[in-house]
Amino acid sequence: GENVEQHPSTLSVQEGDSAVIKCTYSDSASNYFPWYKQELGKRPQLIIDIRSNVGEKKDQRIAVTLNKTAKHFSLHITETQPEDSAVYFCAATFTGTASKLTFGTGTRLQVTL
Amino acid sequence: NAGVTQTPKFRILKIGQSMTLQCTQDMNHNYMYWYRQDPGMGLKLIYYSVGAGITDKGEVPNGYNVSRSTTEDFPLRLELAAPSQTSVYFCASATGQYFNTEAFFGQGTRLTVV
Repeated sequence: GENVEQHPSTLSVQEGDSAVIKCTYSDSASNYFPWYKQELGKRPQLIIDIRSNVGEKKDQRIAVTLNKTAKHFSLHITETQPEDSAVYFCAATFTGTASKLTFGTGTRLQVTL
Repeated sequence: NAGVTQTPKFRILKIGQSMTLQCTQDMNHNYMYWYRQDPGMGLKLIYYSVGAGITDKGEVPNGYNVSRSTTEDFPLRLELAAPSQTSVYFCASATGQYFNTEAFFGQGTRLTVV
């Protein structure tokens, strides 16, 4: 069945450093890859997404890259700030179940001063 | 717009009791989802719906039922509560265009079964 793997499960960086979170997916026909941020006790919220017809997308300090051949996509956060501390989830939509959004297991990012 | 609204926010159930988690959205979204999130874990899909009258199972449907009689509402029913169903439940909705779009989440329902 559909599967999204996410690494690492925890990540600690110093303020100002970059953070990278990687996800792999199983269905080569997937076409939509969003990233969600969940702060403690809050609901997940979309921070950036990418579709299968582009390889990279950037929004200020956040960027996402997609490698369809290797079936993986990554979230890049530059110049990290304490408010970036949260759990980040990748997700993918699989063709044939285009309405079903499957999430990775999450990465807890801690930005230290 | 209120977005996606879930009720209740918190609930304690005794083993064997039943309850319905309510979810309503005012964005005229076709797609709606129910996820559960166990402590420190990811989001697991319970059920989803692509439109009124249509529902389908996700990866962890056992012990739950859903219905979708209107576009706005997607209630989740727990028939015989078990401690394994202690979790935070999130409802979400999306427009469901061809390439899919952002899923908006409700604020969650924290359920404890004792």
